[in-house]
Amino acid sequence: AQSVTQPDIHITVSEGASLELRCNYSYGATPYLFWYVQSPGQGLQLLLKYFSGDTLVQGIKGFEAEFKRSQSSFNLRKPSVHWSDAAEYFCAVVGGNYQLIWGAGTKLIIKP
Amino acid sequence: KAGVTQTPRYLIKTRGQQVTLSCSPISGHRSVSWYQQTPGQGLQFLFEYFSETQRNKGNFPGRFSGRQFSNSRSEMNVSTLELGDSALYLCASSLDPGELFFGEGSRLTVL
Repeated sequence: AQSVTQPDIHITVSEGASLELRCNYSYGATPYLFWYVQSPGQGLQLLLKYFSGDTLVQGIKGFEAEFKRSQSSFNLRKPSVHWSDAAEYFCAVVGGNYQLIWGAGTKLIIKP
Repeated sequence: KAGVTQTPRYLIKTRGQQVTLSCSPISGHRSVSWYQQTPGQGLQFLFEYFSETQRNKGNFPGRFSGRQFSNSRSEMNVSTLELGDSALYLCASSLDPGELFFGEGSRLTVL
């Protein structure tokens, strides 16, 4: 069955430090992968997407993600986090019948 | 381009009542998805409509229903409300698979 795993429920990072959020997927074909962000009290916003081609994709707000087929991973990174990056981050993959399969989310906490 | 609009933003109902939530997608988007989000269960998929047909459905009881109109606007209905239905209901529209544009949500409180 198709699935997405985000192993970290919470991550705490100091402001200015680098960030990596992990995402592993299970899908037989070439995946369409996404990262979404949800700031407190808001709806979700697309950060970046991978369909094909270059395995390192750039997104909004200075985020990037790298697709690694051999590891079935699509980890999200940012070189230096800002307090405004505190939010919940969701990884997702398009499954059968175009349904989006979601990870459980990782809550990012920024220490001042 | 206007974003996804959900109405109402906030509402309070009592157990046993029913509620209808509305979602206006981005112009040109034919797919509309609905999600329920709670602190305990997280983000859960309700259903997706594409060109007025339900294309995908999550694991919710039949009290949760939806529909999509010819102009792609969508409504969801919850009948016989329970306390556990208190949640943020999110609607999203899309043009391409997986690339969802979310509204700000309708926050339902059931007393």
